[in-house]
Amino acid sequence: KAGVTQTPRYLIKTRGQQVTLSCSPISGHRSVSWYQQTPGQGLQFLFEYFSETQRNKGNFPGRFSGRQFSNSRSEMNVSTLELGDSALYLCASSLTPQETQYFGPGTRLLVL
Amino acid sequence: GENVEQHPSTLSVQEGDSAVIKCTYSDSASNYFPWYKQELGKRPQLIIDIRSNVGEKKDQRIAVTLNKTAKHFSLHITETQPEDSAVYFCAASETSGTYKYIFGTGTRLKVLA
Repeated sequence: KAGVTQTPRYLIKTRGQQVTLSCSPISGHRSVSWYQQTPGQGLQFLFEYFSETQRNKGNFPGRFSGRQFSNSRSEMNVSTLELGDSALYLCASSLTPQETQYFGPGTRLLVL
Repeated sequence: GENVEQHPSTLSVQEGDSAVIKCTYSDSASNYFPWYKQELGKRPQLIIDIRSNVGEKKDQRIAVTLNKTAKHFSLHITETQPEDSAVYFCAASETSGTYKYIFGTGTRLKVLA
């Protein structure tokens, strides 16, 4: 089976812009979680979707949002970008929320 | 809130020696504990996991131990090799309610040849 894929892999934006990142889970996986990874903070949980419903949300401002489609693909959106949003954004998929998560390669976002 | 502490943050060992990374979790409802290895520029990869009904699990040179009473779990790598050099993350999850993973802050392991 193909692994988790994320697009784009790299992105450069300027402050104030918005960005949309995409995640395609492993075929058959219905749960998708998103994480922000920075050198100082490690892996911070953003949100988790299962069957098109957001089940959990981490401690991030409302500028961070997401959704999941009927084919389990997920997108996350960050509006009004700030310099501090520069990070590697990882998504992970699992069969169901209780099962092991498998990570995608990430999207590296640089905000100038 | 839930928290996972991971120590040490960096660890250097000679090739062939053992390495131990320790994690402590705060949520007593946590019952699933995966370990991920992340090589430079790559995605985190699951290397081993353990559930709360088991005290120890081994896979070749890698083992994980769990002490539910003390709420800590450890990763043990024996006969380390240069290719073991990476950042290792522990996580804790509660699989009957929220399910979300809480990750430790990572341990950078360097295996010196």
